[in-house]
Amino acid sequence: SQKIEQNSEALNIQEGKTATLTCNYTNYSPAYLQWYRQDPGRGPVFLLLIRENEKEKRKERLKVTFDTTLKQSLFHITASQPADSATYLCAGGGSASKIIFGSGTRLSIRP
Amino acid sequence: DGGITQSPKYLFRKEGQNVTLSCEQNLNHDAMYWYRQDPGQGLRLIYYSQIVNDFQKGDIAEGYSVSREKKESFPLTVTSAQKNPTAFYLCASSVTRGVSNQPQHFGDGTRLSIL
Repeated sequence: SQKIEQNSEALNIQEGKTATLTCNYTNYSPAYLQWYRQDPGRGPVFLLLIRENEKEKRKERLKVTFDTTLKQSLFHITASQPADSATYLCAGGGSASKIIFGSGTRLSIRP
Repeated sequence: DGGITQSPKYLFRKEGQNVTLSCEQNLNHDAMYWYRQDPGQGLRLIYYSQIVNDFQKGDIAEGYSVSREKKESFPLTVTSAQKNPTAFYLCASSVTRGVSNQPQHFGDGTRLSIL
């Protein structure tokens, strides 16, 4: 079945470092990948979209890559801050707009 | 401010009872969605609607029903046929469905528990 897989283990890093989260897709080829941030008890908030023909997309301290050979997207937060602590969801979409969400990776930034 | 409003924030269901979760949007979006989120799992699509008076089953529609009588409203009913309803329910909207780059806008969810 089509899957979006994210590391279920929490990622803990120190403030100021770069956080890198991984998203892998299997059994399909999404035309685009989206990244969302979700805080506890809240709905996800859209952050970035990257299309399959784009290698990299940036927005302020955020950077996303899309590697169709590895079937993987990496999500980077540079100069991380405690306020960046949240769960980050990856979602893959394709034709007919079926979007498949991963289970998310919880990121904790310690001061 | 434009957005999606879900109510109530918390809901409790008794055995054999149907409950309805509200979702209202003022973003003028055509497409609306209902997802279920369980710990350790990705969001799973229950139902979606592309236009008023039309809706389609998602991956886990059994035990749920919806209506779309108005563009801004997409209520979800969790029926007694849904045997494991305890979850966090999220409503979302997008400008359209069928266009491959539409981000989804989410409400802040309703947490449903069994009494």
